Amino acid sequence: GESVGLHLPTLSVQEGDSAVIKCTYSDSASNYFPWYKQELGKRPQLIIDIRSNVGEKKDQRIAVTLNKTAKHFSLHITETQPEDSAVYFCAAPYGNNRLAFGKGNQVVVIP
Amino acid sequence: DTAVSQTPKYLVTQMGNDKSIKCEQNLGHDTMYWYKQDSKKFLKIMFSYNNKELIINETVPNRFSPKSPDKAHLNLHINSLELGDSAVYFCASSPLGNTIYFGEGSWLTVV
Repeated sequence: GESVGLHLPTLSVQEGDSAVIKCTYSDSASNYFPWYKQELGKRPQLIIDIRSNVGEKKDQRIAVTLNKTAKHFSLHITETQPEDSAVYFCAAPYGNNRLAFGKGNQVVVIP
Repeated sequence: DTAVSQTPKYLVTQMGNDKSIKCEQNLGHDTMYWYKQDSKKFLKIMFSYNNKELIINETVPNRFSPKSPDKAHLNLHINSLELGDSAVYFCASSPLGNTIYFGEGSWLTVV
């Protein structure tokens, strides 16, 4: 029968622990990899991005790492706080001027 | 001073009706988009315009017609609304090939 409801992968972490979400891409020519955060009822907003000429980028408690050989990039959130609870989307360019978004990962930080 | 603004924020309408969502950006970006986010949180691109010219038209029923009177505006008109059109529609803009800035979303419910 038909299933109803969200089918988002969900990552539950204790407050203060780290969360890591991995994203794979297929186009080896992709050179820009952003992560977006979407809080409940809000718009997706860019939180960090990385270009293909670097392997890691950090901004306070969040970081993104890129493995071009394996074609994946990951979002790392350290010392998680309740306000980190949200849906996180990775994206990668494909074709001409297109940015494809991944399925989204729900992160739940348990106080 | 909202960067990407769209109206209305909430829209409840009956099947078969025609409705429009308006979008404006004051960031001076050349590219504007319409994305659809369904109940499973998938973010799918529908259309992209660059300087008033349509450059991306994903597989969208032709009941959906975008219109860009100038590069700061991209409106979405939907004819003969169906139940499956219920979703959140996000307008967005970007400098070519870079960060996408989303509007606050328009919650469309077709009853």
